Amino acid sequence: EVQLVESGGGLVQPGGSLRLSCAASGFTFSSYSMNWVRQAPGKGLEWVSYISSSSSTIYYADSVKGRFTISRDNAKNSLYLQMNSLRDEDTAVYYCARGAYSSSSLIVYWGQGTLVTVSS
Amino acid sequence: EIVLTQSPATLSLSPGERATLSCRASQSVSSYLAWYQQKPGQAPRLLIYDASNRATGIPARFSGSGSGTDFTLTISSLEPEDFAVYYCQQRKVFGPGTKVDIK
Repeated sequence: EVQLVESGGGLVQPGGSLRLSCAASGFTFSSYSMNWVRQAPGKGLEWVSYISSSSSTIYYADSVKGRFTISRDNAKNSLYLQMNSLRDEDTAVYYCARGAYSSSSLIVYWGQGTLVTVSS
Repeated sequence: EIVLTQSPATLSLSPGERATLSCRASQSVSSYLAWYQQKPGQAPRLLIYDASNRATGIPARFSGSGSGTDFTLTISSLEPEDFAVYYCQQRKVFGPGTKVDIK
């Protein structure tokens, strides 16, 4: 069974930093692309970042480019999102999501999410 | 960048009725469109990929159609568990969602 478990969310002040982690199990992590998708309270889904299976291809949404960094450790079956210079509008549930294959943008599986609240 | 528009924003129907949801892309996306269902407090779930292919375990009452810029998600006969928000997605873009609620 595919499992994606996010951690690292919490309350942070504007301008602060936070690192999210996603622990993957139930599949060969190194064979699949991964994404971070967020959802602000009461709002729709917003794609944040994508990383291919080998980390050779990385994309970011314009709204986070230059502030967020996605990475993965295939030996540890883990995905990360380093978030710096956080803003109020970054407040959201952040989902870790697995692609359909190594370089696919199709999201097949989602974690349950971790809440990030940016507030003073 | 591609923009996805979904209509209607809200669809009020009764169990057993047919639901027809629309997703329109600002430019052609061929058949590269997916649909997701999200219930309150839950993560989204993949329903349809490549416009018309049902994901694993998705009931046959869900079907997708379309290509180019116009796509449709149809739920042939609504079950109580189908009342939720539905999103279309193309690569890095999600539509704003259609809420299907109980009339």
